[in-house]
Amino acid sequence: AQSVTQPDIHITVSEGASLELRCNYSYGATPYLFWYVQSPGQGLQLLLKYFSGDTLVQGIKGFEAEFKRSQSSFNLRKPSVHWSDAAEYFCAVGAEGNKLVFGAGTILRVKS
Amino acid sequence: EAGVVQSPRYKIIEKKQPVAFWCNPISGHNTLYWYRQNLGQGPELLIRYENEEAVDDSQLPKDRFSAERLKGVDSTLKIQPAELGDSAVYLCASSPLAGSVEQYFGPGTRLTVT
Repeated sequence: AQSVTQPDIHITVSEGASLELRCNYSYGATPYLFWYVQSPGQGLQLLLKYFSGDTLVQGIKGFEAEFKRSQSSFNLRKPSVHWSDAAEYFCAVGAEGNKLVFGAGTILRVKS
Repeated sequence: EAGVVQSPRYKIIEKKQPVAFWCNPISGHNTLYWYRQNLGQGPELLIRYENEEAVDDSQLPKDRFSAERLKGVDSTLKIQPAELGDSAVYLCASSPLAGSVEQYFGPGTRLTVT
């Protein structure tokens, strides 16, 4: 069965510092991969997606992610974090039946 | 373009009471999903609709949960009777293409059962 692991429950970074959020997935075929962001009391907003092709994908708000098949990873990065990036981030894999299987999320805290 | 609309945003009920959530997907999106997100976890699929048909309801607890999508647009998710363990955020999502896994989420309904 498909699964997603986000090893870090919480991450704290200083404003202006770089960010990397880890995501590992389990899926037999070529995966469809997503990163979503959820601010408190809000729904999920799609940051970026990987379906095929270039393994480095660009998203909104200056985020990017790199698909590494050999490591079954799809880590999210941002070169310089802003205070408004504080939120919870979810990695997801598209599974059979067109459903999304989500990781447990990583809460990002930004300190000034 | 308007996003996925859900109401109410918050609901507090006592256990054993019924509750209903409403979702209006993005215009033209034929695929609609209901997810449940427990505290500290990622969302989990409850049911998926293609137009009016529930094509995947394997994770829906059918003893107390029901859903409908009349006319293939709006959808309602109902719990009767609610239990303490049903406290969660209920998210609705829609997808532009049948067979597409790309989904757009609404703001969710936060349910608290006391």
